[in-house]
Amino acid sequence: SSELTQDPAVSVALGQTVRITCQGDSLRNYYASWYQQKPGQAPVLVFYGKNDRPSGIPDRFSGSSSRNTASLTITGAQAEDEADYYCNSRDSSGNYVVFGGGTKLTVL
Amino acid sequence: EVQLLESGGGLVQPGGSLRLSCAASGFTFSSYEMNWVRQAPGKGLEWVSYISTSGNTIYYADSVKGRFTISRDNAKNSLYLQMNSLRAEDTAVYYCARELGGTSGYCDYWGQGTLVTVSS
Repeated sequence: SSELTQDPAVSVALGQTVRITCQGDSLRNYYASWYQQKPGQAPVLVFYGKNDRPSGIPDRFSGSSSRNTASLTITGAQAEDEADYYCNSRDSSGNYVVFGGGTKLTVL
Repeated sequence: EVQLLESGGGLVQPGGSLRLSCAASGFTFSSYEMNWVRQAPGKGLEWVSYISTSGNTIYYADSVKGRFTISRDNAKNSLYLQMNSLRAEDTAVYYCARELGGTSGYCDYWGQGTLVTVSS
């Protein structure tokens, strides 16, 4: 299986834009999905595929992909966006699912 | 409303066994691929296993291969994870997660998780 690499921590001022990135060889072949997890709660899917957002997820969450890097962008970050964010995708073989190590987002 | 409810977690000694269950409701269970994902205390998410809609295709993470067995009963709308030869490093919250489809790995609904603690 392959790995997905994320920055451990990122911070953003309230109302500003932040980008959370995810790097890995599998992302050359597969789009990532992104999950938000708040303390004591299950993960929530916030973005997936080339350009898909589950119903109920605010449109300030968007995603993009280039070469081996996927990005989740939060435009106008809110206090409630403070959480851990994980990316995932199929690995290069297609037989495994891999998760990034997670990024802790702090909204200042 | 889609619901996934895990059960079966608890305290088990190293080398012991445990069977987790995930009861699904609010959707046509037989039409969705399913996954087990775990999270050790204070750590990130780790994918454990995948099963196709029919149960004919199954994948495991290398860390559990040969020890864990995923299965499903579409008539009972249930997903299972049989865990044998448990180790301390298997201690985690175990989530069942519904996959969006197309063997994408995208999980759109998650249960609340069940805690497995492996300790003597």
